[in-house]
Amino acid sequence: KAGVTQTPRYLIKTRGQQVTLSCSPISGHRSVSWYQQTPGQGLQFLFEYFSETQRNKGNFPGRFSGRQFSNSRSEMNVSTLELGDSALYLCASSLAGGNTIYFGEGSWLTVV
Amino acid sequence: SQELEQSPQSLIVQEGKNLTINCTSSKTLYGLYWYKQKYGEGLIFLMMLQKGGEEKSHEKITAKLDEKKQQSSLHITASQPSHAGIYLCGADMVASNTGKLIFGQGTTLQVKP
Repeated sequence: KAGVTQTPRYLIKTRGQQVTLSCSPISGHRSVSWYQQTPGQGLQFLFEYFSETQRNKGNFPGRFSGRQFSNSRSEMNVSTLELGDSALYLCASSLAGGNTIYFGEGSWLTVV
Repeated sequence: SQELEQSPQSLIVQEGKNLTINCTSSKTLYGLYWYKQKYGEGLIFLMMLQKGGEEKSHEKITAKLDEKKQQSSLHITASQPSHAGIYLCGADMVASNTGKLIFGQGTTLQVKP
C-alpha cells in the first residue's frame, strides 16, 4: 500500500510568487491535513480537509489556502510568497477522525 | 508557553543505554501520537495512545499515557544508532477526532556507538 505522496519534493520560488503543493493520501483515507515546519516555530497545523470540506483551520494568514478533490487528493496554495514562508510543508492523511495519522515526506519550499 | 512541552530538548546517549522522553500537556489529552523524524524528512508513525493508562510497545520502544498527569512518556530500551533522530509528540487536545494535532518542539536524540 502506497504511503502519503507529496509533490514536488523541493522547490525554489521568488518573493511575491505563488506556489501550489500537492498531496495524494493513502488509498481510502478521506482526511488530509497540512502542516508547516520551521526551525523557529516547529510543526504547526495549517488546515484539514475531509470529504472535500475544510474541517479545521490553523492560525495562518489568508495567503495560505487549500482544497480537496473528490478522490481525496489535496492541494495547498500559498500566494504572495514571503521569505518567512520558507519551510518544510507536510501533508498527513487518516481514514477519518480518531484514526492513525500518517505523514508524507514533505515538500521543501525555499523563498528567495 | 508551549501547549505541549517535550523534555529533554536534546539527548546524547551511549549505545545500549535506556532513555526516556517526556511529553507534558497543559490541557487534557484526547489522543497522543509519537513520531520519529530524520532531519528534513517526513514523520514516521511510532504509536498512538488514546486511553489513560494505555501502554504500547513496538520493538524496543514503549509509550505510556498518564491521563491524570496529562503526560506521555516514550522509553527506548538498549538504544541503537538507528534510534537516532528527532522524536515528536503530537496531541489532539479538543477531542476533535480530526487531523488537527498540536506538536511539541521535538527531542533530538543522538546515540553514540
